[in-house]
Amino acid sequence: QVQLQESGPGLVKPSQTLSLTCTVSGGTISSGDYYWHWIRQHPGKGLEWIGYIYYSGHTYYNPSLKSRLTISIDTSLNQFSLKLNSVTAADSAVYYCARRPRITLRSFDYWGQGTLVTVSS
Amino acid sequence: DVLMTQSPSSLSASVGDRVTITCRASQDISNYLAWFQQKPGKAPKSLIYAASRLESGVPSKFSGNGSGTDFTLTISSLQPEDFATYYCQQYNTYPPTFGGGTKVEVK
Repeated sequence: QVQLQESGPGLVKPSQTLSLTCTVSGGTISSGDYYWHWIRQHPGKGLEWIGYIYYSGHTYYNPSLKSRLTISIDTSLNQFSLKLNSVTAADSAVYYCARRPRITLRSFDYWGQGTLVTVSS
Repeated sequence: DVLMTQSPSSLSASVGDRVTITCRASQDISNYLAWFQQKPGKAPKSLIYAASRLESGVPSKFSGNGSGTDFTLTISSLQPEDFATYYCQQYNTYPPTFGGGTKVEVK
């Protein structure tokens, strides 16, 4: 059974960089069978897709965040990461990592439990 | 971006009720529509993909229908564990977008 687990600081100061890592267990991130995504949810609000990375390093970002966003992958550690710079209070949210199969008709089939990030001085 | 509009935003229902949630896309998304259930403090859980296909392990009381721009999620007989928030999501085009959610509450 695949599991995804987010990790990183829960508090980030305004204008600094938010950094999170998603560790995948029970499956190999470099299999090529999945795209690895980040999604966030502002408190009490809906879901916003952030971006994805493929094992090859190919990325696709939400245009609304593209200028501040970097997603990277470390296949040796079975992890992928998110860096969002110049954060403001509007970036406070629960951040989820998730996977989406490359070939099937499924969407996001497995999610991490989520990690709350608060942007505050 | 494709705008996903869910209705109602909340509803009150009783155990045993049949509940239907509607999701409308701002443009044709074929059948690239998923439904998720989210309980407080938990990650969303995939219920249905490709508009009508049930995820493995999801009970058959959940069903999805629709194609193009109009979709529905139906719970045939609401049980206590079904009180949650439900989201639709399109994955026909990037960026993937979600509906605003429908909170199903106890009447």
